[in-house]
Amino acid sequence: QKEVEQDPGPLSVPEGAIVSLNCTYSNSAFQYFMWYRQYSRKGPELLMYTYSSGNKEDGRFTAQVDKSSKYISLFIRDSQPSDSATYLCAMREEGNKLVFGAGTILRVKS
Amino acid sequence: KAGVTQTPRYLIKTRGQQVTLSCSPISGHRSVSWYQQTPGQGLQFLFEYFSETQRNKGNFPGRFSGRQFSNSRSEMNVSTLELGDSALYLCASHLLAGAGNEQFFGPGTRLTVL
Repeated sequence: QKEVEQDPGPLSVPEGAIVSLNCTYSNSAFQYFMWYRQYSRKGPELLMYTYSSGNKEDGRFTAQVDKSSKYISLFIRDSQPSDSATYLCAMREEGNKLVFGAGTILRVKS
Repeated sequence: KAGVTQTPRYLIKTRGQQVTLSCSPISGHRSVSWYQQTPGQGLQFLFEYFSETQRNKGNFPGRFSGRQFSNSRSEMNVSTLELGDSALYLCASHLLAGAGNEQFFGPGTRLTVL
């Protein structure tokens, strides 16, 4: 079993929809949680960075962490075709080694 | 502020050769991590450097090595290339080592081994 599980999709939604992306993990020592967006043939771009449980909002993006359930989510409101990309969850313990999910391919149709 | 720079962007090598990839972190960042991304395995941690010292290493064979220079620039080397080494190699820059650090990725070097 992988340390971080993420449904690879693809997830296809109409423009304007609310998108929900999720990851589960097994390592209770993870303390820092991130979401990256990766466009084709580009490097990952950091979207959200959270510590411990709770919510964090940035514009159309909201990240949630539930450490008791070992579950993290990213919500995208008013999705746009430009949001079409692969979304990677990542997490780490105290050090700098990131453990990534497989990535979810998101397609927003206009 | 300039981002993370990786050179070259694309490389084609043949089996048995060796390759060196370069990464220049964001100005002021002293820590660099390397990752390998493949369709089958996703993003996997290779190693991390801080102040010219390797602080952490992933589960890759000894053919994969790296180093960091006094100006924080880093190189990774892969010797005796195998077909399975074809991947996108990503460098991540972070301010310090340890907790609370956001990692920013470069565009990657796409290596193709024939």
